[in-house]
Amino acid sequence: GQQVMQIPQYQHVQEGEDFTTYCNSSTTLSNIQWYKQRPGGHPVFLIQLVKSGEVKKQKRLTFQFGEAKKNSSLHITATQTTDVGTYFCAGRQAAGNKLTFGGGTRVLVKP
Amino acid sequence: DADVTQTPRNRITKTGKRIMLECSQTKGHDRMYWYRQDPGLGLRLIYYSFDVKDINKGEISDGYSVSRQAQAKFSLSLESAIPNQTALYFCATGQRGNQPQHFGDGTRLSIL
Repeated sequence: GQQVMQIPQYQHVQEGEDFTTYCNSSTTLSNIQWYKQRPGGHPVFLIQLVKSGEVKKQKRLTFQFGEAKKNSSLHITATQTTDVGTYFCAGRQAAGNKLTFGGGTRVLVKP
Repeated sequence: DADVTQTPRNRITKTGKRIMLECSQTKGHDRMYWYRQDPGLGLRLIYYSFDVKDINKGEISDGYSVSRQAQAKFSLSLESAIPNQTALYFCATGQRGNQPQHFGDGTRLSIL
């Protein structure tokens, strides 16, 4: 079946630094979504990418969908303590079908 | 998401017991999902439903069953709980198409 892998599993970041988390699918995706889960909370939708090579920005967060629609990345600029949490990517193999979540990247920020 | 309510929030029980986790939503969404979260494994889909009486297995359905008797309610049952079912369980809802999913606050289940 479809597999979605995320690396790294953990990311320790100094406040103010940038970092990137990567998401790779074993199959071509119809679209990919990103979610953030704060400690003790539930996953909250951030963004969806649909087109090959698509890039979207939300303030300090930049999301990219690969040309082959098998991988995606999330880049955070000038990390803040509010960025602490676990970031999940979730891919759909076919439009409207169920999501397959990656294992998540847990981000810890050192002040 | 306050529109997706899970009960109970926490539960401790013993091996062999039958347990039901409830999920209700006021978002009017057709689709509902049950996930299990374990550290490092992300969210794994247990069962999902696209409409009332529609039930589909996810990737880890063994040992679980579900019921969707109404659009707003989707319950998850563990017929005979075992310790490796100790996890954080999330219910989620969604609309048709490529819409995002909306999660409840989760149920932390411990089986001794």
